[in-house]
Amino acid sequence: DADVTQTPRNRITKTGKRIMLECSQTKGHDRMYWYRQDPGLGLRLIYYSFDVKDINKGEISDGYSVSRQAQAKFSLSLESAIPNQTALYFCATSDSTSGVLGEQFFGPGTRLTVL
Amino acid sequence: GNSVTQMEGPVTLSEEAFLTINCTYTATGYPSLFWYVQYPGEGLQLLLKATKADDKGSNKGFEATYRKETTSFHLEKGSVQVSDSAVYFCALSVRETSGSRLTFGEGTQLTVNP
Repeated sequence: DADVTQTPRNRITKTGKRIMLECSQTKGHDRMYWYRQDPGLGLRLIYYSFDVKDINKGEISDGYSVSRQAQAKFSLSLESAIPNQTALYFCATSDSTSGVLGEQFFGPGTRLTVL
Repeated sequence: GNSVTQMEGPVTLSEEAFLTINCTYTATGYPSLFWYVQYPGEGLQLLLKATKADDKGSNKGFEATYRKETTSFHLEKGSVQVSDSAVYFCALSVRETSGSRLTFGEGTQLTVNP
């Protein structure tokens, strides 16, 4: 089984709808991240959480919110989806006790299309 | 701030050709450097890393050397295979007060033809 899972894998929705993307991990890592990937722009950080009580905005948090329900679960919500939020979304985890600064483990991605 | 610049793609090579993907960076502190690879339909996975100047990261025939004087971390492979077709991301991480975060380059699409 995959260590970092994302649901759904694909989603098509309409402008104005509320959407939740979910991420679960079995790696026992304390840190979790949400990124979006757009062609030619690489990955951009939306939100990150260093533990259950810690939530931080990334570089492109406007229009998004997150919830860290447990150490293993980190959800991303689009309160009112708009077409320019069409992208590939990745969840990632890392371990603060690891000696490898910056190594993150990624889920398979959720492809979101907003019509 | 922190930033990573990669050579523009896409890159198309024939099997057994030599590969170089350029990566340069700017960082406010002393970064660790990474190459991540994304195979079609999958998430990113760590390919190799280097944590201090002159370190060489290597994995699966790929290599990259941390060059502090030129702020570069170019990815190389002597003989690419069709299975190396993927998107390659250069990234850096700098230790901050509250923890570390990755900053990614734009990604370079590599296609290897038989």
